[in-house]
Amino acid sequence: AQRVTQPEKLLSVFKGAPVELKCNYSYSGSPELFWYVQYSRQRLQLLLRHISRESIKGFTADLNKGETSFHLKKPFAQEEDSAMYYCGDTGANSKLTFGKGITLSVRP
Amino acid sequence: GAGVSQTPSNKVTEKGKYVELRCDPISGHTALYWYRQSLGQGPEFLIYFQGTGAADDSGLPNDRFFAVRPEGSVSTLKIQRTERGDSAVYLCASSSLWREGANEQFFGPGTRLTVL
Repeated sequence: AQRVTQPEKLLSVFKGAPVELKCNYSYSGSPELFWYVQYSRQRLQLLLRHISRESIKGFTADLNKGETSFHLKKPFAQEEDSAMYYCGDTGANSKLTFGKGITLSVRP
Repeated sequence: GAGVSQTPSNKVTEKGKYVELRCDPISGHTALYWYRQSLGQGPEFLIYFQGTGAADDSGLPNDRFFAVRPEGSVSTLKIQRTERGDSAVYLCASSSLWREGANEQFFGPGTRLTVL
């Protein structure tokens, strides 16, 4: 079965500090990795996906098949980045397997 | 346009009762998903519909849980003989599998179910 691991529950940084949210996945042949974000009182929404290779809101994530990782990074955190972040992997039938999520808190 | 909507937003019921949770997907989205999110956990897959049929129901925890999508649009998740352990936020998502950028799932606001 697919598994997505987010080893940390909380990351607290000061505004302007770099951020790295860790995500590891179990090998599934052809992983399709996503990061979803949930801001306070809002619904879960897609942040980025690995096949797009794009930067959204300054965030990037690189798929590392050797380490089976898909860490989310941002060089300079902003207060509005404070949210819950979930890493996910899509298997057959497009069902998402999510990690437990991490709370990012960016202090002023 | 309108996003995925779910009703009710909150549902409190007593142990042993039957509940129905409704999901209205984005118009034209052929794929519909149900997830359950318990406190401190990520969303957990329950069932996936492609059109009217359940393509994958491997995440349903037991036979008390059932979901339908009779016309390929609105879906209802039904829980019989509710138990306290069923308390969670039930999320619905929809996606279009026929466009570039497919597989992005658009989530509803969820229904918070509390079983007393």
